[in-house]
Amino acid sequence: DVKVTQSSRYLVKRTGEKVFLECVQDMDHENMFWYRQDPGLGLRLIYFSYDVKMKEKGDIPEGYSVSREKKERFSLILESASTNQTSMYLCASSLQLAGYTFGSGTRLTVV
Amino acid sequence: ELKVEQNPLFLSMQEGKNYTIYCNYSTTSDRLYWYRQDPGKSLESLFVLLSNGAVKQEGRLMASLDTKARLSTLHITAAVHDLSATYFCAVDRGYNNNDMRFGAGTRLTVKP
Repeated sequence: DVKVTQSSRYLVKRTGEKVFLECVQDMDHENMFWYRQDPGLGLRLIYFSYDVKMKEKGDIPEGYSVSREKKERFSLILESASTNQTSMYLCASSLQLAGYTFGSGTRLTVV
Repeated sequence: ELKVEQNPLFLSMQEGKNYTIYCNYSTTSDRLYWYRQDPGKSLESLFVLLSNGAVKQEGRLMASLDTKARLSTLHITAAVHDLSATYFCAVDRGYNNNDMRFGAGTRLTVKP
């Protein structure tokens, strides 16, 4: 089975800190994604990547950046964390025309 | 801009009853996915529908896709408590990058 591993299950950060969320997948998937999940809003796409060093903005990229230096790793960076970035962050990977495999999620609280 | 709407958002059912969750989307696509999320857990893939008229079934759940109507349904037959979860549909924009837009989710509670 494909496994997608997110480095932290829970994080608490202070306003203004730079935050790194790491995601690693072990099945050579081309596509990787970062979503945030908020109650009543479903999942919203922040960034995605379809190849090493390639990245595309999703619907809510403001305040975030990403890095994909290796195929298996896709990092989400909050440049200067703010309280409105408190959320559940979900990483996913996929092959073309396949359903996503999601990581277990990182619940980030910014205080 | 692709928009995905699910209804109902909340659904409380008695065990043994049937019901349908609807997923409408706003732009042309023939790739639709259903996911399940249990409380406190991440999402798991249930169904992948890749053409008009596609139908997939797994146990008491059956999903279908009508691309002309831009509508997918998730039908629940003879519900049992174990089906209690939140169900999401997601639509692929079709640009070959497999990036999806999700509905808000339907929280299903099955009561004895």
